[in-house]
Amino acid sequence: QQQVKQSPQSLIVQKGGISIINCAYENTAFDYFPWYQQFPGKGPALLIAIRPDVSEKKEGRFTISFNKSAKQFSLHIMDSQPGDSATYFCAAINTGTASKLTFGTGTRLQVTL
Amino acid sequence: NAGVTQTPKFQVLKTGQSMTLQCAQDMNHEYMSWYRQDPGMGLRLIHYSVGAGITDQGEVPNGYNVSRSTTEDFPLRLLSAAPSQTSVYFCASRQANPLYGYTFGSGTRLTVV
Repeated sequence: QQQVKQSPQSLIVQKGGISIINCAYENTAFDYFPWYQQFPGKGPALLIAIRPDVSEKKEGRFTISFNKSAKQFSLHIMDSQPGDSATYFCAAINTGTASKLTFGTGTRLQVTL
Repeated sequence: NAGVTQTPKFQVLKTGQSMTLQCAQDMNHEYMSWYRQDPGMGLRLIHYSVGAGITDQGEVPNGYNVSRSTTEDFPLRLLSAAPSQTSVYFCASRQANPLYGYTFGSGTRLTVV
């Protein structure tokens, strides 16, 4: 079963618009939630991350919102740019046990002109 | 350049053949792991290692073997390749504190015919 559920599978946004990707998890032992960005032919790279004791974290145009009670978190990309076109993965880690990364299924974002 | 190096970048195997995917990192990271990436399924953990001489299974270990004789290297072995192992394989490493994120290699695209 997918421990981290991610939606949508694909997303098309116009330049300047807001991209929103949602994730949900079941395992309450997860205590760290990173987002990874992957360009074609490359490995994933850490974009931004949040701990569950914080409801929001912002880095530039990228914001994570976290709802601990609902076990949901989301990535918002403000003023989306064509260079943001990539696949985005949410992930979860239980830092108490080997800190393995558990990934969502990914969202392919396309930002059009 | 510091990072995670994977070889080869591309490989075609016939069913039943064996091969080793190489992974090396020069960041002195204790933790290394192998993921496979398939469309619509995100990245799934195959095997991981928390240090030299220590390995453990991930989510999808069947058909794969690993060993960790040095801190730098973490090869993945396919003993008898099957078409179901057609995928893109990523090696990743991280330092002791998982909050600093994982560093991924650029991947090996494997096709089993």
